[in-house]
Amino acid sequence: DQQVKQNSPSLSVQEGRISILNCDYTNSMFDYFLWYKKYPAEGPTFLISISSIKDKNEDGRFTVFLNKSAKHLSLHIVPSQPGDSAVYFCAASSIQGAQKLVFGQGTRLTINP
Amino acid sequence: DVKVTQSSRYLVKRTGEKVFLECVQDMDHENMFWYRQDPGLGLRLIYFSYDVKMKEKGDIPEGYSVSREKKERFSLILESASTNQTSMYLCASSPSPGTGNSPLHFGYGTRLTVT
Repeated sequence: DQQVKQNSPSLSVQEGRISILNCDYTNSMFDYFLWYKKYPAEGPTFLISISSIKDKNEDGRFTVFLNKSAKHLSLHIVPSQPGDSAVYFCAASSIQGAQKLVFGQGTRLTINP
Repeated sequence: DVKVTQSSRYLVKRTGEKVFLECVQDMDHENMFWYRQDPGLGLRLIYFSYDVKMKEKGDIPEGYSVSREKKERFSLILESASTNQTSMYLCASSPSPGTGNSPLHFGYGTRLTVT
């Protein structure tokens, strides 16, 4: 039972344009959401997070939007740069789950020059 | 900067072997985790530990065990390696829950191939 889903395995975007990565979840108890970025042969690195009390969080070129009623979150990257090419994982946790993160399947983002 | 070090980047083992994957963190974190990453499945939690000598099963613990004798070290053990355990194994650590929702810090991963 996949509680966190990233339905797009891959995404290709032109350099300078906006990249939008999507994530859906089913567990209404999730109250904290994170995005991780992973390069080949490296571990995932934390990118940005959002608490369920917010609907938007911004950090430089990265913005995460949360729509609780739709159980959907998205990561916007603008402008996209070649160094953004990586696999992006969405993750979620709940107070009852403590520090356990549930991850999505990942989306491979390719930024074309 | 938090450093999570996994003892091997690549490992090749034979079916039936006992395999040890070691992980050390240098930030005095209470929580440590073992995930495996497989294409199309994302990261799945195998085991985690909130303190020394404590361990809890994650979502896919079958065929694995763990050991946490010291706070900084968390070992994953494959009792009898099988080909379906060929995967990327990722260790992570984080501070205690009392400090709020702190992101996990991951190691580089160990690519394990079981033949």
